[in-house]
Amino acid sequence: KNEVEQSPQNLTAQEGEFITINCSYSVGISALHWLQQHPGGGIVSLFMLSSGKKKHGRLIATINIQEKHSSLHITASHPRDSAVYICAVPYSGGGADGLTFGKGTHLIIQP
Amino acid sequence: NAGVTQTPKFQVLKTGQSMTLQCAQDMNHNSMYWYRQDPGMGLRLIYYSASEGTTDKGEVPNGYNVSRLNKREFSLRLESAAPSQTSVYFCASKTAGLYNEQFFGPGTRLTVL
Repeated sequence: KNEVEQSPQNLTAQEGEFITINCSYSVGISALHWLQQHPGGGIVSLFMLSSGKKKHGRLIATINIQEKHSSLHITASHPRDSAVYICAVPYSGGGADGLTFGKGTHLIIQP
Repeated sequence: NAGVTQTPKFQVLKTGQSMTLQCAQDMNHNSMYWYRQDPGMGLRLIYYSASEGTTDKGEVPNGYNVSRLNKREFSLRLESAAPSQTSVYFCASKTAGLYNEQFFGPGTRLTVL
């Protein structure tokens, strides 16, 4: 089974700071997902990447397949970025498709 | 376009009671999933369905049954609820293929007393 570890578990920062959230996994994968869970509970997909880097607005995701590591960066952070950020990789436990998730990083951006 | 919908939003059960969580998607997706989310743990896959009439067990299937009666709907049934099944349940769907994102429903918060 693929183990997904995220760090830090909790992060509080000031508005405008550059944020980095890390994700490592134990088994080689073909693609990695970053998701955001809003304070109200809703989950949305931010990125899916299999190599290199992707950028969407102030969010940047990178992955190093050889090192089994990915990072999510937020530039010019804003209080509305406060959420739980979750890393996920393809489920490898059997015949089922699906995802294996990290425990999430709880981010708070203070004004 | 409602996306993925789940009913009910909240439910309280007594130990031993049964209930069915409903999920529907209007995006014509083939693949559908049930996950549970518990405090201090990541979401965990309960069951998966690749298409109508097919299902596969995920990481934590014990105590649950599922039905994929048509392309739109994927239900999760608790036959005899236990306190360990207190959780938030999320349904998700996506088009078939490894590189497609999953779309999540709003979740059902279930408490078993």
